[in-house]
Amino acid sequence: QSVLTQPPSASGTPGQRVSISCSGSSSNIGSNYVYWYQQLPGTAPKLLIYRNNQRPPGVPDRFSGSKSGTSASLAISGLRSEDEADYYCSAWDDSLSGPWVFGGGTKLTVL
Amino acid sequence: QLQLQESGPGLVKPSETLSLICTVSGGSITSNTYYWGWVRQPPGEGLEWIASISYSGSTYYKPSLKSRVSISVDSSENQFSLNLTSVTAADTAVYYCARHLAMPGTAFWEYWGQGALVTVSS
Repeated sequence: QSVLTQPPSASGTPGQRVSISCSGSSSNIGSNYVYWYQQLPGTAPKLLIYRNNQRPPGVPDRFSGSKSGTSASLAISGLRSEDEADYYCSAWDDSLSGPWVFGGGTKLTVL
Repeated sequence: QLQLQESGPGLVKPSETLSLICTVSGGSITSNTYYWGWVRQPPGEGLEWIASISYSGSTYYKPSLKSRVSISVDSSENQFSLNLTSVTAADTAVYYCARHLAMPGTAFWEYWGQGALVTVSS
């Protein structure tokens, strides 16, 4: 059971906008930055969003992150077939669960 | 470009010790700006952080695994390693080594190895 809660699946059609949620608590998301990782099939995770809403070089601006209270969201606009992947949120946790925790992951399917 | 590569046995017997090494190339492991860590992923499941270490030897362990895990750094070889004792089938996973920022409050895992599948079976 993951400390951060994500929906197991999400889907959308090409061109659509989809959003993936990540719910935590005051010890993690509520008091620390949120990070998002993309894991394409058969590959290692890749940093997608850092410090809630910042994109590393090379990440398209179709990807955006936000945070409010103890929850965060990853939004993907203009959905493309190559966005089909697993997405994980992560944060530092100040409680005995941490310090580094991940969400259970959301499998995004592009229909 | 920094690269990380996991190495170690792909098959470990139950009750034995799982040992993995991560070799770092394209950069030095001797920086206290970063932590070096291990994350695992059981087949079909999500990511689970296991342990992290700084060059100076500061360590962090996942509380539920702390009694079975140890992590160490070998700066002469630019490597760091993971030992997990008394393994069971539940420890079967792809094990990733990775570099992350050594700043409290962050979870900035920037560089990852390709992963090594370790199966626990007799």
